[in-house]
Amino acid sequence: GDSVTQMEGPVTLSEEAFLTINCTYTATGYPSLFWYVQYPGEGLQLLLKATKADDKGSNKGFEATYRKETTSFHLEKGSVQVSDSAVYFCALSDQPGANNLFFGTGTRLTVIP
Amino acid sequence: EAGVAQSPRYKIIEKRQSVAFWCNPISGHATLYWYQQILGQGPKLLIQFQNNGVVDDSQLPKDRFSAERLKGVDSTLKIQPAKLEDSAVYLCASSFTGLGGYTFGSGTRLTVV
Repeated sequence: GDSVTQMEGPVTLSEEAFLTINCTYTATGYPSLFWYVQYPGEGLQLLLKATKADDKGSNKGFEATYRKETTSFHLEKGSVQVSDSAVYFCALSDQPGANNLFFGTGTRLTVIP
Repeated sequence: EAGVAQSPRYKIIEKRQSVAFWCNPISGHATLYWYQQILGQGPKLLIQFQNNGVVDDSQLPKDRFSAERLKGVDSTLKIQPAKLEDSAVYLCASSFTGLGGYTFGSGTRLTVV
């Protein structure tokens, strides 16, 4: 069945460090891929998405590229800020119309000044 | 636009009691989802509505969980009777077009003691 495997946390980085959070997936067909972010005390928010191979999603300095050959969608940011501290979830939607999301377990990021 | 509203924010009940959660989606969003997020895990879909009809309830434990979306707007999720393992955050989300572009509510944190 469909599944998402993401890098276990927690991850602690200093401000301005480079961030990578790994995500790989298993799916039939051609899934759409997403990164969601959950800030403390808040609901899940869509961070970025990509709907086909080689698409790059980007938002707020974060990027992720849909790599079909490696079934990956790694999240990257060149210079993290304290305000990026949150839990990040990788997710996939396996078919248009059947648009329930399969989530990874989440990676907690803490950025220290 | 107003977000997805959920209530209550927190609920503590004893096992075998019943509990209900309420969700008001974004106006005009036809698709509504309930997810269960157990601590340390990613959200898992419980049920998906399209207007007032159920699209997918394959992961809903129907012996104790029920959900309805009368009139295709607000939705209620009920657990009766609750078990300890039901302790989780229950997230409601809504979507206009589907394809994973959801808006999540802040969730209801349920603790069963």
